[in-house]
Amino acid sequence: KNQVEQSPQSLIILEGKNCTLQCNYTVSPFSNLRWYKQDTGRGPVSLTIMTFSENTKSNGRYTATLDADTKQSSLHITASQLSDSASYICVVTPANQAGTALIFGKGTTLSVSS
Amino acid sequence: DAGITQSPRHKVTETGTPVTLRCHQTENHRYMYWYRQDPGHGLRLIHYSYGVKDTDKGEVSDGYSVSRSKTEDFLLTLESATSSQTSVYFCATGSNNQPQHFGDGTRLSIL
Repeated sequence: KNQVEQSPQSLIILEGKNCTLQCNYTVSPFSNLRWYKQDTGRGPVSLTIMTFSENTKSNGRYTATLDADTKQSSLHITASQLSDSASYICVVTPANQAGTALIFGKGTTLSVSS
Repeated sequence: DAGITQSPRHKVTETGTPVTLRCHQTENHRYMYWYRQDPGHGLRLIHYSYGVKDTDKGEVSDGYSVSRSKTEDFLLTLESATSSQTSVYFCATGSNNQPQHFGDGTRLSIL
C-alpha cells in the first residue's frame, strides 16, 4: 500500500535555530514529491516540488532533499522564525496516475518559540 | 494567493440536515478538488472535477455529492449530515491534473 510517513509528529525549537523534518514514502514509482506549509486556519501552500530525478530544491530558507533510492525526503529550515510555526505536509504523486491519486502525509507540527 | 474563496468559513449544523459548501475560483483552472482534513489523517480526496459538469468520486465520497455548473464554482453537498462528517473541508484547483492551490477551508461541525 502506498504510504507517506512523516516524523517527528511535532517539534519545538527556539527562534533562530535550524531544524529538519523527515518524510519516508513507499510510493514507487512516483512522479513528484511536494512539501506544503499549512498555517493554522489556512490552506496548504506549496513550498517545493521535486521530480523523481531531482535531489534538492530550495525556496528561501527552506531546502528540500530527495533520496529516491532510500525513499526519503527531508525539509530543512534554516534560521527559523516565529512565522515558521505551522504544519508541514509531505505529498507524493504516484507515477502515471492522475493528480487525484496524491498521497498526503499527516504532517509535522513545528512550533518556533522566542 | 490563487483566488480561491470558500464559503462559509465556519458552519455548525445538526445531524440530518443538508449542507452545501461552495468553492469559487478566479483562476479559470480546469481541475477542482474537494478534500477533508481530520486529526490523525492526511488530506483525503472526496470528489473532483475535470471540467464543467464532469465530476468523479475520490477516496471518501460516501455521503457527499458535488456539482460544477460553471468553471469557477464547485459545490460540495452533504445530503443528510452525520457527525462523522465533522471536519475541515478544503477546495483546491489546478490547471493540469494536479491540485496546485488550496483555499483556506471550511470548518464544519455537525452536532
